[in-house]
Amino acid sequence: DGGITQSPKYLFRKEGQNVTLSCEQNLNHDAMYWYRQDPGQGLRLIYYSQIVNDFQKGDIAEGYSVSREKKESFPLTVTSAQKNPTAFYLCASSINPRQPQHFGDGTRLSIL
Amino acid sequence: DQQVKQNSPSLSVQEGRISILNCDYTNSMFDYFLWYKKYPAEGPTFLISISSIKDKNEDGRFTVFLNKSAKHLSLHIVPSQPGDSAVYFCAASALLPGANSKLTFGKGITLSVRP
Repeated sequence: DGGITQSPKYLFRKEGQNVTLSCEQNLNHDAMYWYRQDPGQGLRLIYYSQIVNDFQKGDIAEGYSVSREKKESFPLTVTSAQKNPTAFYLCASSINPRQPQHFGDGTRLSIL
Repeated sequence: DQQVKQNSPSLSVQEGRISILNCDYTNSMFDYFLWYKKYPAEGPTFLISISSIKDKNEDGRFTVFLNKSAKHLSLHIVPSQPGDSAVYFCAASALLPGANSKLTFGKGITLSVRP
């Protein structure tokens, strides 16, 4: 089945460590996105990529980094510079930026 | 500055009745609107969308209405079913330079459908 896979579902890291969240899609979508959801909040855009080897900052990019070396993959690194990294992270993809986005099931990151 | 607003955090309706979920926006450049449904610990799933050239779009039990002059849209679910109980997000997008586009989400509304 085609879809978006985020792994792991739960992730624990010590404060000060960088951590990378995986996002893979086999939908052949050009565009991919990373969002963060906090309790009582909507989804806030961290980074997005319209095409391989290109990405743009979203609304809350500080403390995060991404790469888009392959069409299928869009990993997100949460760096030690991110002040409040504990959150639910969602990856999404779409055929193009004007089509509905399909989401993975998310990764819950907790900083110990 | 919140550009997409879902002012009611929750809504409770009786099974079989109509659920009306509201959404307001402030950015007049938004021209494409979507509704997503989300269960706990899962990603949102796309429900229905509407372009600004329309004022209504229907898909089964789900209908979205758009009032551009009021910058308001609503999602109607008829009849409501217990399985509709979830968080519903309104989202909007505008065409940006370079054919880019990104979604702006509201904070969501929790719908509870009572049996």
